[in-house]
Amino acid sequence: DGGITQSPKYLFRKEGQNVTLSCEQNLNHDAMYWYRQDPGQGLRLIYYSQIVNDFQKGDIAEGYSVSREKKESFPLTVTSAQKNPTAFYLCASSMMAGASSGNTIYFGEGSWLTVV
Amino acid sequence: GESVGLHLPTLSVQEGDNSIINCAYSNSASDYFIWYKQESGKGPQFIIDIRSNMDKRQGQRVTVLLNKTVKHLSLQIAATQPGDSAVYFCAENMDYGGSQGNLIFGKGTKLSVKP
Repeated sequence: DGGITQSPKYLFRKEGQNVTLSCEQNLNHDAMYWYRQDPGQGLRLIYYSQIVNDFQKGDIAEGYSVSREKKESFPLTVTSAQKNPTAFYLCASSMMAGASSGNTIYFGEGSWLTVV
Repeated sequence: GESVGLHLPTLSVQEGDNSIINCAYSNSASDYFIWYKQESGKGPQFIIDIRSNMDKRQGQRVTVLLNKTVKHLSLQIAATQPGDSAVYFCAENMDYGGSQGNLIFGKGTKLSVKP
């Protein structure tokens, strides 16, 4: 099955802990993205990567880190510096960076992170 | 500041009726717009897109209209079905100034279809 796989679906984090959310895609897309969604809100961009070994901060990168060592993988680490991490996290990918006609951004099924 | 917003946060329609979901945008430099559908607890699904050099685009049961004069975008769903119940987001592409990949999303409209 082609697509974007996020894991785990649900994750609980204790305060002060770092956690890593996994995102894998088998669509052969160069660009990958991480968005955060809060209840009743739109999506906000955390980080994006245009190509392997490259990534750029989005609008709300503070308290998060990413890596892009492989084309198909773009893990997101939520660090203890993120003061309000409880949210729904969405990974996405597209053939190349930047949404445009013929370059649709596709999303995974999301991961719920709750701080306990 | 530049923003994408929605006129109606919730919309309730009868099964079989047509639905119209509206979206206002304020960045006249945006050149690409997308509608996504998000079911509860799932990731957004692409529905339809439109470039700024078009004013209408049709898909299967869906039509997107773009009015650049008043910076307004709408999604029309024909013969709405219970499976259409979801939150619908519009998004604009502000691909300039080094902000590649930065889709700007509105807050969403929840569509409820009554049987």
